[in-house]
Amino acid sequence: AQTVTQSQPEMSVQEAETVTLSCTYDTSENNYYLFWYKQPPSRQMILVIRQEAYKQQNATENRFSVNFQKAAKSFSLKISDSQLGDTAMYFCAFMKMNRDDKIIFGKGTRLHILP
Amino acid sequence: GAVVSQHPSWVICKSGTSVKIECRSLDFQATTMFWYRQFPKQSLMLMATSNEGSKATYEQGVEKDKFLINHASLTLSTLTVTSAHPEDSSFYICSASGAGGHQETQYFGPGTRLLVL
Repeated sequence: AQTVTQSQPEMSVQEAETVTLSCTYDTSENNYYLFWYKQPPSRQMILVIRQEAYKQQNATENRFSVNFQKAAKSFSLKISDSQLGDTAMYFCAFMKMNRDDKIIFGKGTRLHILP
Repeated sequence: GAVVSQHPSWVICKSGTSVKIECRSLDFQATTMFWYRQFPKQSLMLMATSNEGSKATYEQGVEKDKFLINHASLTLSTLTVTSAHPEDSSFYICSASGAGGHQETQYFGPGTRLLVL
């Protein structure tokens, strides 16, 4: 069975600083997807970034980037130049590379961006 | 981008009544839809997976007769909470994945807040 672990329940960082959220996972699959989802106070789940396990290059989306270490089963999210609007719950998630398979979520990290 | 809607966004009902929540994919065909439940400050808990035209697959511990799921078309899935009780009060979220390049990612609806009095 797949598991996703987020070891930081809560973090705070000053606006404009860089912050890294940790995520580790366990799987015996070789091909899979990893995601970071953001859930702001509105509770709408927003896809931040996606990584395919077969790609060695780390995914980036503007200020968001990941450090994907497949051998270590690590998938951290770096937010650069953090903004007040980044305040949210962040979930790391895993999905097997089977069409329509379910997503396994971590417990989440609550991130506070301080003015 | 892919958009998923949910209706209603919030509902208050009396104990013992049934409540139906709709989940629609607005600009793509959703071959699979997922229903989650989320308690405050917790992660999403998958309740069931539904494929269009077939019976839903429920996660362990989720009562099939309590939470009825219907996925009658490629754009609509419904979750009916039957004989609701206060402990069913929660935030219910659906997600959808499907054809046309959308099978690799799940797109989430905005959620439905249910309060059972």
